[in-house]
Amino acid sequence: AQKITQTQPGMFVQEKEAVTLDCTYDTSDPSYGLFWYKQPSSGEMIFLIYQGSYDQQNATEGRYSLNFQKARKSANLVISASQLGDSAMYFCAMSPAEGGGFKTIFGAGTRLFVKA
Amino acid sequence: DTGVSQNPRHKITKRGQNVTFRCDPISEHNRLYWYRQTLGQGPEFLTYFQNEAQLEKSRLLSDRFSAERPKGSFSTLEIQRTEQGDSAMYLCASSQITGPQGYTFGSGTRLTVV
Repeated sequence: AQKITQTQPGMFVQEKEAVTLDCTYDTSDPSYGLFWYKQPSSGEMIFLIYQGSYDQQNATEGRYSLNFQKARKSANLVISASQLGDSAMYFCAMSPAEGGGFKTIFGAGTRLFVKA
Repeated sequence: DTGVSQNPRHKITKRGQNVTFRCDPISEHNRLYWYRQTLGQGPEFLTYFQNEAQLEKSRLLSDRFSAERPKGSFSTLEIQRTEQGDSAMYLCASSQITGPQGYTFGSGTRLTVV
């Protein structure tokens, strides 16, 4: 069975600084996909970034990068140059195959607070 | 395309009543998913469809829950004989079958059972 663990219930970061949100996972699937989603207070889940288990390079999307360490089974999200609008819940998620068209399980989330 | 649409946005119902929610996915997306999210938790998988075929149903989904996607377009989620524990946000999402993209989620339907 797959499992996602996010050990940081809440994180604070100063505006314009970088922050890392931790995610570890467990799976016996030979290939899998890893995702990060943002959920602002408005409630709508927003897809941020994807990493395939066979991708050689870490994924990047604008200010978001995914620090993928396969041997350690970690997929941390790094947000550079934090903005006030980054304050939200962030969820790490995993699917049992590469790509976005599969059942996905989510972690419990980390709430990020960006301070002015 | 205006994204994934869910109706209603909010539903308050008395315990024991039946409720039905609707989800209209992005038209190009073959797969449609239902999740349930309670306060402070991540979304929990309920079920998903490829076109009109229901591919998997979570064990969390008791026999009071049923989902359909009759023509491979919109989907409905029905809860019969609602209980207070059913109070949650019900999220619908859609995606392509392949590709390095995550889901596109709707705004959700918040159910309150009183």
